[in-house]
Amino acid sequence: QQPVQSPQAVILREGEDAVINCSSSKALYSVHWYRQKHGEAPVFLMILLKGGEQKGHEKISASFNEKKQQSSLYLTASQLSYSGTYFCGTERGDGLTFGKGTHLIIQP
Amino acid sequence: NAGVMQNPRHLVRRRGQEARLRCSPMKGHSHVYWYRQLPEEGLKFMVYLQKENIIDESGMPKERFSAEFPKEGPSILRIQQVVRGDSAAYFCASSQRESHEQFFGPGTRLTVL
Repeated sequence: QQPVQSPQAVILREGEDAVINCSSSKALYSVHWYRQKHGEAPVFLMILLKGGEQKGHEKISASFNEKKQQSSLYLTASQLSYSGTYFCGTERGDGLTFGKGTHLIIQP
Repeated sequence: NAGVMQNPRHLVRRRGQEARLRCSPMKGHSHVYWYRQLPEEGLKFMVYLQKENIIDESGMPKERFSAEFPKEGPSILRIQQVVRGDSAAYFCASSQRESHEQFFGPGTRLTVL
């Protein structure tokens, strides 16, 4: 079952914050977050395995709620390099099922 | 440490021909995944393989598509009798084990004329 991502697109000015949500109607085994720039391969950001888990690296962090049905990606003080399409992927014990993506545009 | 390698990067085929896409996983990775991405869309899982075994092919079309990951050599995604609807970017990813981060290759962009 494909996870639902929201919003579909976000336009920010450099330095602003953004939140991208990923939800499912069923509990998920894990959540993976990737960023893809146009014409390039997806790049791994982070993986969350446990309900209630939070992870972060510099100004990008993510959470996985207790019921493991929703994850949010937080981008703080966005930089131009953050532009791209963000995908959450949920695991069924095999390959990943990706959401449709959230397009993030950072303007100077 | 080289990343995931895919070749060719671009492949043009006429309808009815065969397409062979190759993927060499990262060193030490024994899990390989193939995904397809249509323009402006997300990635769709196709198949998950370990050495000499297909673990899950639930995302593969029933006909014309096959995948293998032999004991020696790269993983191969084979599309027989290609049609225009097969035109897409095909990404391979590898991981050390299940529930671990997947590293993506640069993709093969297939165009069917």
